[in-house]
Amino acid sequence: SQTIHQWPATLVQPVGSPLSLECTVEGTSNPNLYWYRQAAGRGLQLLFYSVGIGQISSEVPQNLSASRPQDRQFILSSKKLLLSDSGFYLCAWSGAGGLNIQYFGAGTRLSVL
Amino acid sequence: KQEVTQIPAALSVPEGENLVLNCSFTDSAIYNLQWFRQDPGKGLTSLLLIQSSQREQTSGRLNASLDKSSGRSTLYIAASQPGDSATYLCAVRDGGSYIPTFGRGTSLIVHP
Repeated sequence: SQTIHQWPATLVQPVGSPLSLECTVEGTSNPNLYWYRQAAGRGLQLLFYSVGIGQISSEVPQNLSASRPQDRQFILSSKKLLLSDSGFYLCAWSGAGGLNIQYFGAGTRLSVL
Repeated sequence: KQEVTQIPAALSVPEGENLVLNCSFTDSAIYNLQWFRQDPGKGLTSLLLIQSSQREQTSGRLNASLDKSSGRSTLYIAASQPGDSATYLCAVRDGGSYIPTFGRGTSLIVHP
């Protein structure tokens, strides 16, 4: 069966520090991968999605970047965190074809202080 | 551009009630619609997915219906329980798109 791992679960970082969040998927190949942010009281905002290795699409201009170095690995990064980067970050995957059911990781709570 | 609206934004009911959560979308040319549940501080859990050619899907006490022509989906929860308390989100995927459009969710509290 397929599983998605996202870590860390919680992260507290000072302003100006770098960020690296990792997401890996098991049990499938060539998944579509997504990074979302969910701020308090707001909806789910799509940050990046990827349909293949090295292929990254950005939905909104921001202080963050994403990379997909391997088929089932998706990384969210920042060189210098801002206070406004605080939020709940979710990784998700869906199959490249078929039903395209989307599955989510457990999320990372990021607090930038 | 697809827009997804969920009404009500919040709902508080006594245990045992049958519930209807609503999701409406502006563009009927959808590929599928997916309902999720999110517990506080957790990721989203997929509940049901309805393909554009389907009218409804059922899983246990949950039933989701789809009316593309009117741009609506409903999630029916039978005999609600306190454990059903969570936020319920719907997401619409348009034909030819990798990107689902999410609603803001309905926050449900079922009290004993």
